[in-house]
Amino acid sequence: KNEVEQSPQNLTAQEGEFITINCSYSVGISALHWLQQHPGGGIVSLFMLSSGKKKHGRLIATINIQEKHSSLHITASHPRDSAVYICAVSCISSGSARQLTFGSGTQLTVLP
Amino acid sequence: DTEVTQTPKHLVMGMTNKKSLKCEQHMGHRAMYWYKQKAKKPPELMFVYSYEKLSINESVPSRFSPECPNSSLLNLHLHALQPEDSALYLCASSQVVVNQPQHFGDGTRLSIL
Repeated sequence: KNEVEQSPQNLTAQEGEFITINCSYSVGISALHWLQQHPGGGIVSLFMLSSGKKKHGRLIATINIQEKHSSLHITASHPRDSAVYICAVSCISSGSARQLTFGSGTQLTVLP
Repeated sequence: DTEVTQTPKHLVMGMTNKKSLKCEQHMGHRAMYWYKQKAKKPPELMFVYSYEKLSINESVPSRFSPECPNSSLLNLHLHALQPEDSALYLCASSQVVVNQPQHFGDGTRLSIL
């Protein structure tokens, strides 16, 4: 079974700061997902990546398959970025549907 | 706005009640999922449907009964729940092919009295 570890668990930043959240996993995966969950509960998929780097607006996700490590970066952070960020990895399951193994999440608070 | 719609958004029920949670998507996804999430914890997978057939049941108690009547709908029937079943219940969908993101609904917040 894959173990997914995130750090830090909690992060408080000032508006405008550059933020990094880290994720490590223990065994090979088919893809890694970064998810965002706001206090209301809904989860948004930010990135899915299996190699290299992806960028969307102020968000950047990188993955190093050899090191079994991924990072989520937020540039020019804003209070609206405050949310829980969850790393999850895909593993093959029966029926060709993909199960996600989740990290414990990082609570990010960006202060104005 | 989320593309996966869950109803109701909130539900309060007694331990003897029977209720159902509903989930709907029109993205043509043939994999659908139920998750349970307790406060400050990550989601826990409960059930996976693939092509309208139950493919994974993560040892969920029988008081939770999933149903997938068609490719757009997923229900979770609840009966004789316990207080510890109070949680956020999330539905998600995805394409069945490899390496596709899951699209989540906003969840149903369930409280058992």
